[in-house]
Amino acid sequence: GIQVEQSPPDLILQEGANSTLRCNFSDSVNNLQWFHQNPWGQLINLFYIPSGTKQNGRLSATTVATERYSLLYISSSQTTDSGVYFCAALPYYGNNRLAFGKGNQVVVIP
Amino acid sequence: EPEVTQTPSHQVTQMGQEVILRCVPISNHLYFYWYRQILGQKVEFLVSFYNNEISEKSEIFDDQFSVERPDGSNFTLKIRSTKLEDSAMYFCASSEGGGVLQNEQYFGPGTRLTVT
Repeated sequence: GIQVEQSPPDLILQEGANSTLRCNFSDSVNNLQWFHQNPWGQLINLFYIPSGTKQNGRLSATTVATERYSLLYISSSQTTDSGVYFCAALPYYGNNRLAFGKGNQVVVIP
Repeated sequence: EPEVTQTPSHQVTQMGQEVILRCVPISNHLYFYWYRQILGQKVEFLVSFYNNEISEKSEIFDDQFSVERPDGSNFTLKIRSTKLEDSAMYFCASSEGGGVLQNEQYFGPGTRLTVT
């Protein structure tokens, strides 16, 4: 099946700093989603972005489908941005199982 | 904004007991899913459901698991005889479409299952 690799696995940020999280996937996709898992374990949908660029407040994401990667940008980080960020991909060849990466653990310190 | 809901938020059960986890998908969605996440690990696919039948299942989804859409709104996951290793967060998700169309999956808040 499709492989999803995220980097870096762990990141410590000073409040106010910017960061970039990367997701590489091994096959063509027709769905790419980013989630934030909060301290209560809930998965919060951030972006549905099989290609192109989207922005939502201080977060933005870019997927370059032809090169099989996606980036999540966090600007002016806040302590509430702490948590685990997951990338998940749906392969193009027809099944509906989202394949998740292992996540990026982000800690924002004041 | 419509959302997927799950009940209960936390369930504690004894090994060998049956549990039923409940989900209400978004009302106009046609595809339903269960995923699980063992503590500290990544989220794993269990099963997808469309048109009142399982469309795909993973190797984790063995005979101890079953899914059902008992009425027009609920979608349930049953574990017949729970084991310690079934302790995990279970997420329900739904999507309007599947394959290449309308396939964004919306996740519920999860049910944390603890088997003692």
